[in-house]
Amino acid sequence: DGGITQSPKYLFRKEGQNVTLSCEQNLNHDAMYWYRQDPGQGLRLIYYSQIVNDFQKGDIAEGYSVSREKKESFPLTVTSAQKNPTAFYLCASSRRDGISYEQYFGPGTRLTVT
Amino acid sequence: GEDVEQSLFLSVREGDSSVINCTYTDSSSTYLYWYKQEPGAGLQLLTYIFSNMDMKQDQRLTVLLNKKDKHLSLRIADTQTGDSAIYFCAETDTSNSGYALNFGKGTSLLVTP
Repeated sequence: DGGITQSPKYLFRKEGQNVTLSCEQNLNHDAMYWYRQDPGQGLRLIYYSQIVNDFQKGDIAEGYSVSREKKESFPLTVTSAQKNPTAFYLCASSRRDGISYEQYFGPGTRLTVT
Repeated sequence: GEDVEQSLFLSVREGDSSVINCTYTDSSSTYLYWYKQEPGAGLQLLTYIFSNMDMKQDQRLTVLLNKKDKHLSLRIADTQTGDSAIYFCAETDTSNSGYALNFGKGTSLLVTP
């Protein structure tokens, strides 16, 4: 089955620790995205990557870092510099040469930092 | 980024039609999307419409686009309790190289028996 996987589903960390969220896709999509969702809020873009070894900051990149060493993988690191890291994190991917550029989402990772 | 606005809450009775509305400000929007999110889950793409269309129908779903007023709506016919979820409107401007989506805050749809 083709799709996007995110792991783990729930993640707990102590304040001051970096944590890396996994995102893998087997859809052969070039573009991948990370969004953050807070209660009652829409999705806000953290980082995106259109191609391997290239990525750009989104609207709320401060305190986050990413890498894109393989087409299938786009891990997100939440650093200790992120002031309010507790949130639901969603990864998505899309084609870049498609007709409608729709994004497909993973199941999300809920991060709780105490 | 540009704004996408949605009403926050809608309640309907099972079997009725639901209409979820969305307005956007980016006149360069190329595609507009509707996503569904069930509790604790990711987003599921329901449908999309290209900006040069004014209507799209897909089974129980009808999307209407008024480009002049920058107004998008999603109509769900014969709404069922399984349709209870949060519905997000999103737009993208394909002249923007990132093709990132700009989302509204979501409309919580509650379907009562």
